[in-house]
Amino acid sequence: GAVVSQHPSWVICKSGTSVKIECRSLDFQATTMFWYRQFPKQSLMLMATSNEGSKATYEQGVEKDKFLINHASLTLSTLTVTSAHPEDSSFYICSARLAETYNEQFFGPGTRLTVL
Amino acid sequence: GENVEQHPSTLSVQEGDSAVIKCTYSDSASNYFPWYKQELGKRPQLIIDIRSNVGEKKDQRIAVTLNKTAKHFSLHITETQPEDSAVYFCAASRMGNQFYFGTGTSLTVIP
Repeated sequence: GAVVSQHPSWVICKSGTSVKIECRSLDFQATTMFWYRQFPKQSLMLMATSNEGSKATYEQGVEKDKFLINHASLTLSTLTVTSAHPEDSSFYICSARLAETYNEQFFGPGTRLTVL
Repeated sequence: GENVEQHPSTLSVQEGDSAVIKCTYSDSASNYFPWYKQELGKRPQLIIDIRSNVGEKKDQRIAVTLNKTAKHFSLHITETQPEDSAVYFCAASRMGNQFYFGTGTSLTVIP
């Protein structure tokens, strides 16, 4: 149980285009999902906390107008990278938590974004 | 916010030896400390975690110790095996809240 999927697993796009990444909890409902960005050989940097039915909470330094997060259902959160540029190329990973009182987060397999 | 530091950044050990990775955190309100193992290009996998009301936890060859006063916690892997080679991340959080990860330790176990 507690499986999280992401789609797509990789994407290549041209500079200036927008890319949407989906994060799904397959066998549980997740009121909270988290989005991370990981550059090569670096740590996972929390970008935002996605709460179902409300606005996402962004970490300091993350542009909310550039990284649009929507958590419209208890099993789906989406991250849209708008007007992507080469410096946005990274590994984007989401995670989901089983319940408010549950600590463990289950991670998706990640999405490799390459912006040309 | 929380700041988590992790050392060393790289670690090489001979197969069968022990490996120790250390982390410090800044937020005294943090009370949950998981450790994740990540293989190249794959998702992080939880290997062990500890809550602040416990000083030590062990699961077979893996153990974690926590010193709340000093605000540091450590991962101990005994009898290392080549399949233990990966990047390990510590994290700190307040119960139920977001994780803040350390910078990672690339562990290589030499056969």
